[in-house]
Amino acid sequence: QSVLTQPPSVSGAPGQRVTISCTASISNNGAVYDVHWYQQLPGKAPKLLIYGDTNRPSGVPDRFSGSKSGTSASLAITGLQAEDEADYYCQSYDSNLSGPVFGGGTKLTVL
Amino acid sequence: EVQLLESGGGLVQPGGSLRLSCAASEFTFSTYAMSWVRQAPGKGLEWVSSIGTSGIGTYYTDSVKGRFTISRDNSKNTLFLQMNSLRGDDTAVYYCARQYCTSTSCYLYFDYWGQGTLVTVSS
Repeated sequence: QSVLTQPPSVSGAPGQRVTISCTASISNNGAVYDVHWYQQLPGKAPKLLIYGDTNRPSGVPDRFSGSKSGTSASLAITGLQAEDEADYYCQSYDSNLSGPVFGGGTKLTVL
Repeated sequence: EVQLLESGGGLVQPGGSLRLSCAASEFTFSTYAMSWVRQAPGKGLEWVSSIGTSGIGTYYTDSVKGRFTISRDNSKNTLFLQMNSLRGDDTAVYYCARQYCTSTSCYLYFDYWGQGTLVTVSS
């Protein structure tokens, strides 16, 4: 079981705001590490969306934003568009694994 | 534009071996840590292995330790993953991914990904 828990699915209508949560389990020794987010469009490779909890790489629209409070991080998408329909993964560090760990992924459906 | 192009995937019987390659271009390969991340059919992402810039530091997820070996040839801008004793649960698309690095440090997130190569382990 991943140390990072995401909801399996979220949905929203075009133009709406949705959030995807990513909660670190206490098995990660209670430590809080940077959280990063990736978007995976159907049939494509993942793409970095947010790094270091809140930072957007160049080229990522400001409709995408990240936040973190304690052991929970969130990805917010405003002004939802049909092209945002994808799987979204959070990623952090697992001290037990001594390596990167991904959340289980959240499928975003644009209604 | 950074490019990562994986190759070497295919169908292999349980217990068999495969060697994946990832050809990198449009960046200074020797200054970036690199990783392999896999995705089983219909499943999420799973980190497999990472290697430091010089190839000296290597890291593996527990399920592949002793079976997989990551390496790199900086003179040829190529990353490798030697996979031995393959099992059915190794079936996945394997992505080559670049870790974000500055001039002084590398970080554990991935700023560029290849398109992936499919490995199928089946008799």
